[in-house]
Amino acid sequence: ETGVTQSPTHLIKTRGQQVTLRCSSQSGHNTVSWYQQALGQGPQFIFQYYREEENGRGNFPPRFSGLQFPNYSSELNVNALELDDSALYLCASSLLLNTEAFFGQGTRLTVV
Amino acid sequence: GESVGLHLPTLSVQEGDNSIINCAYSNSASDYFIWYKQESGKGPQFIIDIRSNMDKRQGQRVTVLLNKTVKHLSLQIAATQPGDSAVYFCAEKPQGGSNYKLTFGKGTLLTVNP
Repeated sequence: ETGVTQSPTHLIKTRGQQVTLRCSSQSGHNTVSWYQQALGQGPQFIFQYYREEENGRGNFPPRFSGLQFPNYSSELNVNALELDDSALYLCASSLLLNTEAFFGQGTRLTVV
Repeated sequence: GESVGLHLPTLSVQEGDNSIINCAYSNSASDYFIWYKQESGKGPQFIIDIRSNMDKRQGQRVTVLLNKTVKHLSLQIAATQPGDSAVYFCAEKPQGGSNYKLTFGKGTLLTVNP
């Protein structure tokens, strides 16, 4: 186990709703990245947070937003859910200058 | 656009055989590559990494080879075991930049037959 924990593990939402996913980073790590993994695909970078500020973003619309808290835990918020948002959402923590990212087990989001 | 891809989507081997999983990358600016193992219902697990100034790196039962000339990366698993069955992803990170953004390929499903 990596020490990165995500909650909830599974979630079902209706199209148009909003969702918040949570991540606790590994002890000592101040950087959190979020990835979306569609079924049968590799993870795609959503954004990264470092010291409570967004530090890079992938090709995702503004309805994907995030927060990082002083204890380095993080949230991913998705507004106006669409069916294509159904995926495994992965959180990874790392030291900014450390090139190894430790992934959590992910949150499986299903939008119906 | 730039992407990381895999040659084979599936690989089936016999227990005890050696496995080779291949990956092609197209971003010549990438200077760091990682192999991840993802078991069903779990997040990706770091296996081994390599920097672009190296050609080969060995770990426990695993070896990563990097051929920058043809932009090719491979993961070799020695004496493959049933516990090695999983999806394997290669990922790349572009040189420089202030963040740790990884670009993943689609993955190769490795099945180890007892």
